Amino acid sequence: DIVLTQSPGTLSLSPGERATLSCRASQSVYTNYLAWYQHKPGQAPRLLIYATSSRATGIPDRFSGSGSGTDFTLTISRLEPEDFAVYYCQQYGASPRTFGQGTKVEI
Amino acid sequence: QVQLVQSGAEVKKPGASVKVSCKASGYTFSNYYMHWVRQAPGQGLEWMAIINPSGSSTSYSSKFQGRVTVTTDTSTSTVYMDLDSLTSDDTAVYYCARGIDPARGSYTAFDPWGQGTLVTVSS
Repeated sequence: DIVLTQSPGTLSLSPGERATLSCRASQSVYTNYLAWYQHKPGQAPRLLIYATSSRATGIPDRFSGSGSGTDFTLTISRLEPEDFAVYYCQQYGASPRTFGQGTKVEI
Repeated sequence: QVQLVQSGAEVKKPGASVKVSCKASGYTFSNYYMHWVRQAPGQGLEWMAIINPSGSSTSYSSKFQGRVTVTTDTSTSTVYMDLDSLTSDDTAVYYCARGIDPARGSYTAFDPWGQGTLVTVSS
């Protein structure tokens, strides 16, 4: 199975600041099939980025994804109050699909 | 709009089975793969299973192989997830989630997700 390791575990920032989240895979992710999800308590996860760098429908352009092979990054250029949540990376190029353990972005 | 609506919360005793439903609307049900993902309290997301659009093919995480069964009723656009031999470790919120791109088969990101179904296993 492909293990995804996210860092840091928690990111303490203020609104307006830039957030950089990392996701490292134990082996190369097939065709860069890497996604990022935002998850808030009591809500369903929300797809932000797919195929490493493509924004999902309706996602603001302050969210961007980059990377290749085994190293991937989600960047939030300027944090808005509603961006404080847990973020998960996921590889979907191999079975089983796997998720990272999450990065909590807190105020 | 595309929507996945799941069945309500369940409380089960150890050793029992649970069946969670996920009713889809707003799109052509028979074109998209569907996944099941769970989140135990304080834990991250864990992929469990996938079923193809027609319901004729499934794939399960080895962790759940033999205990989980995913089926589809195309007449009602509903997907079901059965989990047997429940233990307290199965206490979790269970989500269904649709693949985003039918042209790429089963290897796509997930969107949208159902609202989640809390399954509590307790004696």
